[in-house]
Amino acid sequence: GESVGLHLPTLSVQEGDNSIINCAYSNSASDYFIWYKQESGKGPQFIIDIRSNMDKRQGQRVTVLLNKTVKHLSLQIAATQPGDSAVYFCARANYQLIWGAGTKLIIKP
Amino acid sequence: DGGITQSPKYLFRKEGQNVTLSCEQNLNHDAMYWYRQDPGQGLRLIYYSQIVNDFQKGDIAEGYSVSREKKESFPLTVTSAQKNPTAFYLCASSSDRVGFQPQHFGDGTRLSIL
Repeated sequence: GESVGLHLPTLSVQEGDNSIINCAYSNSASDYFIWYKQESGKGPQFIIDIRSNMDKRQGQRVTVLLNKTVKHLSLQIAATQPGDSAVYFCARANYQLIWGAGTKLIIKP
Repeated sequence: DGGITQSPKYLFRKEGQNVTLSCEQNLNHDAMYWYRQDPGQGLRLIYYSQIVNDFQKGDIAEGYSVSREKKESFPLTVTSAQKNPTAFYLCASSSDRVGFQPQHFGDGTRLSIL
């Protein structure tokens, strides 16, 4: 079946540095991937999405890269700020959303 | 402002009791979803509805029930058959019935057992 997994459960980054959160998926049935941010006690918040006809997509301070050859996608956050502290999920869409377990991003002052 | 409202924020269930979690959206979205989240885990799909008066079981539907009588509302009942109901419950909606647009989430209901 399909699965989505993040490489690290926790990532610590110095404030002002760039953060890279990685995600792998198991097969290529889906053509739509989404990154969400979840702050403590709140629902997930949409960050950015990418479809399989693209390799890269940029938003405000965030970039998502999709490598279909190795079935891997990454979320890059530029100039990480304290407000970026959260759990980040990648999800793939195939009529339903299939979620990874999340990576907790910790910002060191 | 458009969005999804879940209530209550915290809910306690006694042994053998059914409880209902409310989810209302004013985004005019056709599709709505219920997820369960356990500590340190991702989201697991309980039920989803692509259109009014229709809904489908997700991966963990046992012990739960839903209704979709109005486009705006998708309440979830946690029945006494659900033996481990303690979790964070999240409701979402999407403009795309087949899931190829982002889902928008409410701020969740945390359910605990008394």
